Amino acid sequence: ELKVEQNPLFLSMQEGKNYTIYCNYSTTSDRLYWYRQDPGKSLESLFVLLSNGAVKQEGRLMASLDTKARLSTLHITAAVHDLSATYFCAVTVPTSGTYKYIFGTGTRLKVLA
Amino acid sequence: DTEVTQTPKHLVMGMTNKKSLKCEQHMGHRAMYWYKQKAKKPPELMFVYSYEKLSINESVPSRFSPECPNSSLLNLHLHALQPEDSALYLCASSQAPQSGHNSPLHFGNGTRLTVT
Repeated sequence: ELKVEQNPLFLSMQEGKNYTIYCNYSTTSDRLYWYRQDPGKSLESLFVLLSNGAVKQEGRLMASLDTKARLSTLHITAAVHDLSATYFCAVTVPTSGTYKYIFGTGTRLKVLA
Repeated sequence: DTEVTQTPKHLVMGMTNKKSLKCEQHMGHRAMYWYKQKAKKPPELMFVYSYEKLSINESVPSRFSPECPNSSLLNLHLHALQPEDSALYLCASSQAPQSGHNSPLHFGNGTRLTVT
């Protein structure tokens, strides 16, 4: 059974601090996605990582992918309150001629002023 | 503004009601998805349509019935639901699967369903 696990599940951090969220997955997948979800809202795509060693950066967020270790990281630099949200990673699994997108357990991030 | 439109935004229905959720996208995407999300949980895949054909049904109870009338529209028909079916129902779309699965999902804003 495919498992996509994130840790930590909940993260409370001070503004200005750095931290990393980890996403481990149990299947061979060379595509990984990061999404953000604000409370009561839908999911917004942040990053698409397409190959081993891929690194993407947008503002204070940087995502990387190690397909050999089946691990992706989302690094937060100098956190600000606006980054408070739930972050999900997702992997794709080929199934029945199409692809499933399976989401990780999620990390609820709270940035304290 | 989201490019995937879901209606209604909120729906309250009794256990004997029949209702439908609607989803529309005009991005030319040929794969469309229904996800169910409970509070503080990740989205859980329900159905996948690829080129208007149902490709994946994640063992969803028959009280949920999906329909894809054309490449832009996706419906979810609801009948005889249970209170535990109350959740946020998210529609998503992506580029044609055969073109490569490097396309992220584009989500609608969801329908918040309450079953009484």
